[in-house]
Amino acid sequence: DAGVTQSPTHLIKTRGQQVTLRCSPKSGHDTVSWYQQALGQGPQFIFQYYEEEERQRGNFPDRFSGHQFPNYSSELNVNALLLGDSALYLCASSYRMNTEAFFGQGTRLTVV
Amino acid sequence: RKEVEQDPGPFNVPEGATVAFNCTYSNSASQSFFWYRQDCRKEPKLLMSVYSSGNEDGRFTAQLNRASQYISLLIRDSKLSDSATYLCVVGKTSGSRLTFGEGTQLTVNP
Repeated sequence: DAGVTQSPTHLIKTRGQQVTLRCSPKSGHDTVSWYQQALGQGPQFIFQYYEEEERQRGNFPDRFSGHQFPNYSSELNVNALLLGDSALYLCASSYRMNTEAFFGQGTRLTVV
Repeated sequence: RKEVEQDPGPFNVPEGATVAFNCTYSNSASQSFFWYRQDCRKEPKLLMSVYSSGNEDGRFTAQLNRASQYISLLIRDSKLSDSATYLCVVGKTSGSRLTFGEGTQLTVNP
């Protein structure tokens, strides 16, 4: 049973560029949430997708957008990258927006 | 005030010690409570859910006091493999949005 998988695992981008991160939820899960974790901090909620719609959003600018596909996988897009966007981006999946969430290994984004 | 606050740490303890982590949360509407463990440069992993009646899983005991909005985690007979960052996490039943504390780093020394 595959857990939550994210790609790529590491990424280096230049300031001002755009990036797309991908997530496949755990088998049987239909809800995907994205989190940003800066070094030395706890993860911060970005947004959540369920039934292909954004259901909740944290305190992140519009540069952060997402999508959920019919197979429940999800993408996180970040435009106009800033140095401060460097972080570990975590995807978590759950069933029917349940709070018991399982995390992928994350994508480590470095903006230079 | 942060929504979830934890002991700042870090904690350095010898093997076999008992260590306690404390956490407070500010949103009284919170309904779900968890402790996650995160190893260096890895993803958070669910350690245990926390219930009002308290719950125990081997060497780990979690307690919740809703009146005080306080959550605790006790690790008995600590092992080297317990070295990690422990994250206090709070959620609502209306969705799976989780609010994390900043984490408390634990190092268990031989």
